[in-house]
Order: sequence, then C-alpha cells, then structure tokens
Amino acid sequence: DAGVTQSPTHLIKTRGQQVTLRCSPKSGHDTVSWYQQALGQGPQFIFQYYEEEERQRGNFPDRFSGHQFPNYSSELNVNALLLGDSALYLCASSVGGSGANVLTFGAGSRLTVL
Amino acid sequence: GDSVTQMEGPVTLSEEAFLTINCTYTATGYPSLFWYVQYPGEGLQLLLKATKADDKGSNKGFEATYRKETTSFHLEKGSVQVSDSAVYFCALIFVIKAAGNKLTFGGGTRVLVKP
Repeated sequence: DAGVTQSPTHLIKTRGQQVTLRCSPKSGHDTVSWYQQALGQGPQFIFQYYEEEERQRGNFPDRFSGHQFPNYSSELNVNALLLGDSALYLCASSVGGSGANVLTFGAGSRLTVL
Repeated sequence: GDSVTQMEGPVTLSEEAFLTINCTYTATGYPSLFWYVQYPGEGLQLLLKATKADDKGSNKGFEATYRKETTSFHLEKGSVQVSDSAVYFCALIFVIKAAGNKLTFGGGTRVLVKP
C-alpha cells in the first residue's frame, strides 16, 4: 500500500519562474495539506484541500495556490518565485477533512530557487 | 496565535543514555499534541500523540505526557540507540471538523546518538 507520493523530489528554478508540485495521497485518504519546511526549521502550514476546495489557509501570499482533483490528488503552484521560497515542500494526507485522524506525510519536494 | 517552543539542538548523546526533549505550547483552548520524527531524507512520521490533559502517548520506547497546567508535552526515552538519531518535532492541532485545520510545529530538535 503506497503512502503519500510527491513529485518531483528535487528541482531547481530561478527567481520569477513558476513551479508546480504534485501529491498523491495515501490510499483511502481524501484530504491533502501542504507544508513548507525551510532549512533547519519546522514545517509551516500553507493550506488544506478537501472535496476539491481550500478549507483553511496559512499565512502565505497569493503567489501560493493549489488545486485538488476528483481523485484526491493535489497540486501546489508557486508563481513569481523568490529566493526565500527555497524549501522542502511536504504534502500530508488524512481522512474526512479533519485533523482528527493522523496525517501521513510524503518525503517532500525540495525546491531550490537561484 | 498558537505556537510551539521546543529546545534547540543539536542534542548529542551516547547510546543507552536518557533522552529528554522539552516542548511547551501557547494556545487558546486545549489542542491535541503530537511528536513527529524526521529521519534523513524522509518525510515526517508520527511518533506519538495525546488528545487530552494527562494522556500519555507512547511508542517505540518514547513517552510524552500532556500537562495542561504547565502547557507542556516533553518527550522522553530511557535508553536511546544510534537508530534514534533524527530530528524531532513537537506539534499541536485543534480539530475543527469540516472546517479544515492545521498542525502548528515547533522548530525541531536534532538528536545525534553516538555508539
């Protein structure tokens, strides 16, 4: 049973470019959350998707946007990349639009902005 | 807003030593509390959790007790192994069904266990 899968695992972009990160949730999970983990820091919540809608959003600018598809997979898009966007982006899945169940994390996509 | 503070690392120990990682939180109300572990090159794994005051979470020899009076959730292990070398994150969550919710993490504590 596959857990949460994320792609790509590593990528390098330049300032001003746009990036799309992808996440497939664990089988049976219908809720996807995205977190940004800067080097040496704890993960910061970006947003959560359930039933193809953004349910809650953290303190991130509108340059960060997302989408959830009918098969529950999700994308994170970041426009107009800044150097400070360099981080590990973690996707987590759970059940039922609630954090009551344990979140299962993927291994992350490491983004480097030059 | 909600916040989690945990002791800064790195914490360097010898094998079979006792490990404590302090974690305190600031929140309005009574959140659920978690410890996650991140091994090199891997995602976060749930280590243990507690959902109400005085609950004790335990897993793989690790324990933590939800102390409402001190707003703390310290992680302990009596005898660490080299394989316990990782980064440990304390986190809290308020469960709001159908409205979305988020984990708030501490900054992480790197633990290095030497043979």
